[in-house]
Parts: sequence; structure tokens; C-alpha cells
Amino acid sequence: AQKITQTQPGMFVQEKEAVTLDCTYDTSDPSYGLFWYKQPSSGEMIFLIYQGSYDQQNATEGRYSLNFQKARKSANLVISASQLGDSAMYFCAMRYISNFGNEKLTFGTGTRLTIIP
Amino acid sequence: GAGVSQTPSNKVTEKGKYVELRCDPISGHTALYWYRQSLGQGPEFLIYFQGTGAADDSGLPNDRFFAVRPEGSVSTLKIQRTERGDSAVYLCASSPIPGGGYGYTFGSGTRLTVV
Repeated sequence: AQKITQTQPGMFVQEKEAVTLDCTYDTSDPSYGLFWYKQPSSGEMIFLIYQGSYDQQNATEGRYSLNFQKARKSANLVISASQLGDSAMYFCAMRYISNFGNEKLTFGTGTRLTIIP
Repeated sequence: GAGVSQTPSNKVTEKGKYVELRCDPISGHTALYWYRQSLGQGPEFLIYFQGTGAADDSGLPNDRFFAVRPEGSVSTLKIQRTERGDSAVYLCASSPIPGGGYGYTFGSGTRLTVV
């Protein structure tokens, strides 16, 4: 079974500092994908970054980078130069193929990030 | 539309009542998903549509839950005889790629409260 674990329920970080949000996963499938989403208080899930299991290089998207360590089954999100607007819930999720042959996402429990001015 | 639209944004209903939650996906997106997010949890899969048909409804918790997508665009999630445990945020996502890919766009959700 696929599982995502986020062990940090909450984090407080000073503005302009870098922050790492932890994510470990469990799957026996060789082909999968890992996402990070941001969920502000308004509720929508905002896509941040994606890493495919066969991608050779770590994904980067502006201030976001994904530290993908396949052997350790971890996919930590790094946010450089944090901003007040980064305060939100952050979810790690895994894309996999279900027994029905369609894609699904399984999510972790999230990390609430608060940026302190 | 520009994004995935979900209505209503908030719904309060009495225990035992019937509710409908609507999702209007991005135009042309063939894949549509419903997820449920309980307080303090990540979203959990409910059902997946490819076009008009429900290709995977394995996440629906029981037979009180049903979803349709009759014309392959708008979808309605229907909950009969609501229970307090149904209180959650119901999220809809759509994708232009059959099977999902990584191009999911989520709506802002419907917050359902059963009193």
C-alpha cells in the first residue's frame, strides 16, 4: 500500500530564512510521482512542485526545490528565502496507479508553516 | 472557466438530510476527481471520472454517497441521510490528461457541516 508520512505538524520560521519540510513515502511500485501542494486558509490546493520516480535530477520551481532521495524514500521540500505569504498548510502527495488502472493521489497529514516577521 | 469551481463554498445541513455538491471543472478536462478532507487530515480519494463514467469509485465510504457526471463536464456529489461524520471539506480536481498525470487543478472545496 502507498503511504505518505509528514512528521512535522507545525513549523515556525523567521522571514527570509530557508525552510525544509519533511516527507517520506512508502510504495512497492517502481513508477510513481511525488507532489508538494500549498493550502492557504482559503482552502484550494496550489501545486508547487513535482518529481517523477525516474527523474535523474531534483525538481526546482523558483524558490521551491525538492530534495529527492530515492534510496531513503524521502522527498523533502525546500523553500528558500521564506516570505510571509508562505504561511500555509503544506501537503506531500504521491501519484500511483490503482488496481483499477487509474491514477490516484495519496496525501500526508500536512505541515502547518508559519513565517514570523 | 479559468479554474475549477465548486459550489456551494459552505453548506450547513441537519443530520439525515440530503445534500448535493457541485464541481465545474476546467473546460476540456476529461479527468475529474473528488477528495474528502477531514479536519487535520490530508485529502482522501473518493471517486474518479474519465469522461462521463466513474472509472474508480473505490473511495466512496458507503452507499449513501453517489456521484454523477452526465455530460462529461460538471459533476455532482450526492450524499443521502447525512451524518455528523460526513462533516469535511470536499475537494474536486480536474486534469486534461486521461489518467491524471501531474496536471491536477483543485477547486477551493465545499465545507460541509452536518449538525
